[in-house]
Amino acid sequence: DTGVSQDPRHKITKRGQNVTFRCDPISEHNRLYWYRQTLGQGPEFLTYFQNEAQLEKSRLLSDRFSAERPKGSFSTLEIQRTEQGDSAMYLCASSFGTDYGYTFGSGTRLTVV
Amino acid sequence: GDSVTQMEGPVTLSEEAFLTINCTYTATGYPSLFWYVQYPGEGLQLLLKATKADDKGSNKGFEATYRKETTSFHLEKGSVQVSDSAVYFCALSDEKTAGTASKLTFGTGTRLQVTL
Repeated sequence: DTGVSQDPRHKITKRGQNVTFRCDPISEHNRLYWYRQTLGQGPEFLTYFQNEAQLEKSRLLSDRFSAERPKGSFSTLEIQRTEQGDSAMYLCASSFGTDYGYTFGSGTRLTVV
Repeated sequence: GDSVTQMEGPVTLSEEAFLTINCTYTATGYPSLFWYVQYPGEGLQLLLKATKADDKGSNKGFEATYRKETTSFHLEKGSVQVSDSAVYFCALSDEKTAGTASKLTFGTGTRLQVTL
């Protein structure tokens, strides 16, 4: 297994455009997490899935953000009507049930101009 | 809510020096504690973890002890190398259900720079 994959690695978009990111977790992991990291800060939790069910969403996740994990495998994070404040690194992580270790992907760096 | 406080960096050390990065936490219940490392241009990697009070996590010469009485999880290494230069994040997991992993709350990170 090659770990957690995220695509794209970098995305530059104009303010007001929609963007979608993809995360492919480790295949046997049933939990998938999205985090956002801004420069000089630690990652902040956005949402997580157990299989296909979205179990928790942070207050950070405004109505412009939506995440899906349709078949309990890969996940997508969509940001509608992007704003400059959305510029950040978006990290995906996965874990398996009782495993306290999370495996992170390399992230998607979003720049909104 | 849960929070993690780390010492601010950057921390600059000479090779073979002793390293301590302080981390304290606030949480209800009994969180698991973690140190993650982020090397330049790479993703976060789990460095070590401890799941209950007095547990010591260790890996690659780094160690940290879960101190419930002081709510701390300080990272230490006896002799750092240039290759240890990275950003180190302390984190906790709020365990709403015993035995299962939940979301992580991270500190702001501490940049370590080791010079020859």
